[in-house]
Amino acid sequence: SAVISQKPSRDICQRGTSLTIQCQVDSQVTMMFWYRQQPGQSLTLIATANQGSEATYESGFVIDKFPISRPNLTFSTLTVSNMSPEDSSIYLCSVAGRGALGGYTFGSGTRLTVV
Amino acid sequence: AQSVTQLDSQVPVFEEAPVELRCNYSSSVSVYLFWYVQYPNQGLQLLLKYLSGSTLVKGINGFEAEFNKSQTSFHLRKPSVHISDTAEYFCAVSDRYISGGKLIFGQGTELSVKP
Repeated sequence: SAVISQKPSRDICQRGTSLTIQCQVDSQVTMMFWYRQQPGQSLTLIATANQGSEATYESGFVIDKFPISRPNLTFSTLTVSNMSPEDSSIYLCSVAGRGALGGYTFGSGTRLTVV
Repeated sequence: AQSVTQLDSQVPVFEEAPVELRCNYSSSVSVYLFWYVQYPNQGLQLLLKYLSGSTLVKGINGFEAEFNKSQTSFHLRKPSVHISDTAEYFCAVSDRYISGGKLIFGQGTELSVKP
């Protein structure tokens, strides 16, 4: 299965600023997924990122708040913009195995605290 | 859209007792089903997955799950739990015919094993 390197692993940010999270995969993948896990909650899908096209956002998430880049088949970034304390969460990227046969691999997560 | 319901938010159980964590998903033509475990302050770990074939799936740490298409369920079981099984458990589903389709998570079940 794929190996994902996600960074930063954690950060403490001031409200009103932005943070960009990076995920690097050791193999080429068609789609990458970005999730948010709020404290004590489950994982919620933010968006699906395809290389060469705009990301597809889930209900409740917008591009202005969570812009995503996908410049090639092994890399993606998620930016959390104009942060508020409500954005304090763990953010994870994920990729699927071949047609999901390999299951889904997750990055180690970015623990974001907004003060 | 796919959805997943984990019927119990918390399951307290005594050590060496059996446990069942319940999961139902919304109906679809065909789906892939997963159970993940998250230990405190750790990342997600895949317990088991159902892709096709036998409806009884065996995973790591003595867990197993049974896929029931007519009841759209994928309940997780363990015949005898240990203190070390205390963790958050997530059921997840993806649409089988969309290659690399997005993974949707249930709300999670907190398993608490007491001595």
